[in-house]
Amino acid sequence: GAVVSQHPSRVICKSGTSVKIECRSLDFQATTMFWYRQFPKKSLMLMATSNEGSKATYEQGVEKDKFLINHASLTLSTLTVTSAHPEDSSFYICSASEDRASYNEQFFGPGTRLTVL
Amino acid sequence: GENVEQHPSTLSVQEGDSAVIKCTYSDSASNYFPWYKQELGKRPQLIIDIRSNVGEKKDQRIAVTLNKTAKHFSLHITETQPEDSAVYFCAALTIPTFGRGTSLIVHP
Repeated sequence: GAVVSQHPSRVICKSGTSVKIECRSLDFQATTMFWYRQFPKKSLMLMATSNEGSKATYEQGVEKDKFLINHASLTLSTLTVTSAHPEDSSFYICSASEDRASYNEQFFGPGTRLTVL
Repeated sequence: GENVEQHPSTLSVQEGDSAVIKCTYSDSASNYFPWYKQELGKRPQLIIDIRSNVGEKKDQRIAVTLNKTAKHFSLHITETQPEDSAVYFCAALTIPTFGRGTSLIVHP
């Protein structure tokens, strides 16, 4: 159980375009979803936390107008990278948790590798 | 906010030896401490976790210890095997904050 999927797994886009990444919890209801960014050989950097039906909470330094997060249902959260630039190229990973209050175990998606040309 | 420090950044051991990775955290409100193993190009996989009301937890060759007073927790891997080679991340939650990761290399 506790499977999280992400789509697409890889995306290459031109500079200036927008890219949407989906994160789905397949067999449980995810009250909280997290979006991370990971650079090569680096740690996961939390970008934002989204609770179903609420606005996402962004970490310091993350532009909310650049990285749009929607968590419209208990099984789906989306991250849209707007007007992507080469510096946005990275590995984006989502995770999902069933527990809103205490941030219990997170289940990670397989990640999406974004390359902006 | 929370700050998690992880050491060492790289750990090289011989097969059969033990490996210990240490993390410190700053936020005394953190109450959940998971450890993840990430192989190249793959998603992080939870290998063991510990909550703030427990001092030690063991699962076969893997153990985690927590010292809440000193705000540090450690991952212990005994009888290491080549397939243990990966990057290991600690985290301290309430707000997810990850350590920088430790690249473990187990030489056969």
